[in-house]
Amino acid sequence: QVQLHQWGEGLLRPSETLSLTCAVYGGSFGEDYWTWIRQAPGKGLEWIGEINHIGGTNFNPSLKSRATISIDTAKLQFSLILRSVSAADTAVYYCARVSWLGKLDYWGQGALVTVAS
Amino acid sequence: QSVLTQPPSVSGVPGQRVTISCTGSNSNIGAAYDVHWYQQFPGTAPKLLIYGTNSRPSGVPDRFSGSKSGTSATLAITGLQAEDEADYYCQSYDSRLGGYIFGTGTQVTVL
Repeated sequence: QVQLHQWGEGLLRPSETLSLTCAVYGGSFGEDYWTWIRQAPGKGLEWIGEINHIGGTNFNPSLKSRATISIDTAKLQFSLILRSVSAADTAVYYCARVSWLGKLDYWGQGALVTVAS
Repeated sequence: QSVLTQPPSVSGVPGQRVTISCTGSNSNIGAAYDVHWYQQFPGTAPKLLIYGTNSRPSGVPDRFSGSKSGTSATLAITGLQAEDEADYYCQSYDSRLGGYIFGTGTQVTVL
């Protein structure tokens, strides 16, 4: 059974850099993509971007200029960096596995990131 | 911006059949990309409910089913139960975005 556990700084000031990491347990990176999703308070889900086991990435065009996703295959971890955050980036951030057919079948527990001055 | 449109809320009494629509466009559902559905309870991560339009992961009750036609998809809950009260999201791939898009979300209330 694959499990994802994520962590990172929960409170940031505007213009700072968000950093989150997600560890994969009970599986390997394989051929799947690994993705970051966020959900602003009371809002819907927004796809941020994804990475595969060889470091290939795709991003939501609205976040591409500020986001970086990296992978550490030895540690079975992948990370999200989001630069120059503002209050609009306040959200619960989730990591997830994108498997066959593009379904997100395993999710991390979520991490609330609040951007406030 | 690419978006999948869902009704904000649907409600029903226990035992009733309710449906949730997910309307897209020719760059996502209409382009034959797969549609998936997620169930989310407050304060928890979304859970995969339906994948590939109408397949259920192990452990998901068969009262949940999905369908697709043209640029829209539908989630049906047959025999609504109190424990089904949650938010539901559809998801697909969008060729214009070059990535994944989610529906606007539907809150299901059991009366």
